[in-house]
Amino acid sequence: AQSVAQPEDQVNVAEGNPLTVKCTYSVSGNPYLFWYVQYPNRGLQFLLKYITGDNLVKGSYGFEAEFNKSQTSFHLKKPSALVSDSALYFCAVREGSYNTDKLIFGTGTRLQVFP
Amino acid sequence: NAGVTQTPKFRVLKTGQSMTLLCAQDMNHEYMYWYRQDPGMGLRLIHYSVGEGTTAKGEVPDGYNVSRLKKQNFLLGLESAAPSQTSVYFCATLNGGTGNNEQFFGPGTRLTVL
Repeated sequence: AQSVAQPEDQVNVAEGNPLTVKCTYSVSGNPYLFWYVQYPNRGLQFLLKYITGDNLVKGSYGFEAEFNKSQTSFHLKKPSALVSDSALYFCAVREGSYNTDKLIFGTGTRLQVFP
Repeated sequence: NAGVTQTPKFRVLKTGQSMTLLCAQDMNHEYMYWYRQDPGMGLRLIHYSVGEGTTAKGEVPDGYNVSRLKKQNFLLGLESAAPSQTSVYFCATLNGGTGNNEQFFGPGTRLTVL
């Protein structure tokens, strides 16, 4: 069965510093990986995805993620954090076929950016 | 375009009461999903639908029923609410069939069962 793990419940970073939110995956076959962000009292918003191709994927709001097959990781990164980046971040992997397109989500990592 | 909307936004039920949550979308997406979000557990799939008139069980379907009579609407029903169903419920849609696309989420419904 497909799964993703987010080993950190919370990540704290100072504004202007680089940030990393970790995600590791376990899949059979090629992984289809996603990052979503949830701001307080809002639904999830799509940030970026890895389907195939370049290992470095660029997404919304200056975020990027690096796919590493040997380490089975898909860490979310940003060169310079903003206070407004403070939110809950979810990694997800597609489960099943394109006929269902189900997602399996990690437990989430709360990012806190301090001024 | 409204995207994905959910009704109601908040609801408090007593144990044993029933209710229906409505998800509506104007993106003409084929696939729709219902999730629940609980602290420390991420999002878990309750039921989903890959087209009008079709539904299927997800990871945590017990205590819930769904219907997809119209392509744009996906209803989630609780026949006899229990305190364990206190959660935030999210609907999502997807332009499915390729495996490459992302899901679009509604704003959520916060349900409390007393």
